[in-house]
Amino acid sequence: AQSVSQHNHHVILSEAASLELGCNYSYGGTVNLFWYVQYPGQHLQLLLKYFSGDPLVKGIKGFEAEFIKSKFSFNLRKPSVQWSDTAEYFCAVIVTGRRALTFGSGTRLQVQP
Amino acid sequence: EPEVTQTPSHQVTQMGQEVILRCVPISNHLYFYWYRQILGQKVEFLVSFYNNEISEKSEIFDDQFSVERPDGSNFTLKIRSTKLEDSAMYFCASTWTGGNTGELFFGEGSRLTVL
Repeated sequence: AQSVSQHNHHVILSEAASLELGCNYSYGGTVNLFWYVQYPGQHLQLLLKYFSGDPLVKGIKGFEAEFIKSKFSFNLRKPSVQWSDTAEYFCAVIVTGRRALTFGSGTRLQVQP
Repeated sequence: EPEVTQTPSHQVTQMGQEVILRCVPISNHLYFYWYRQILGQKVEFLVSFYNNEISEKSEIFDDQFSVERPDGSNFTLKIRSTKLEDSAMYFCASTWTGGNTGELFFGEGSRLTVL
């Protein structure tokens, strides 16, 4: 069965710092990859996704992620974070032909003004 | 902007009681899901539902759980006899496409506390 690992559980950054959140998955076949974000008191929202093609994908609010197949990784990046980026970030995968998203354990990002 | 709504936002129940969590998916969506998140743990898939039947379920979704779309708008999750370990946040989600696009639209969740 597939699994997703997010190694950073809690990250604290100052505004304008660069962000990179790690995500690794384990599955030998084809997967689609996602990052979801949950702002305080709100629901999960899609940040960006990768299906195929250019492994560098851009999402909303200046976020991007790079799929590195050889490393089974899909790390999330942002060059300069803002206080409003304070949220929990979830990496997720879905196996081709399946319905179920498999989520990582999440990374709580706290941006200090 | 259309959104998925869930009720109740928080329910406290005694062990052994039946609980029904309700969801109103986005109106033109065809695929519906329940996920749950036990405090401090991962968001876990429970079940997906399409065309009035379960299309996929996880091992968590045992005989204690059932789902229903009773009236074409609501999508419910029933837990027949709650256990302490059912305490979690339950998220409903929907999407209009059945492909594995993963673009799920989530509700804000229903927090279930079993005492």
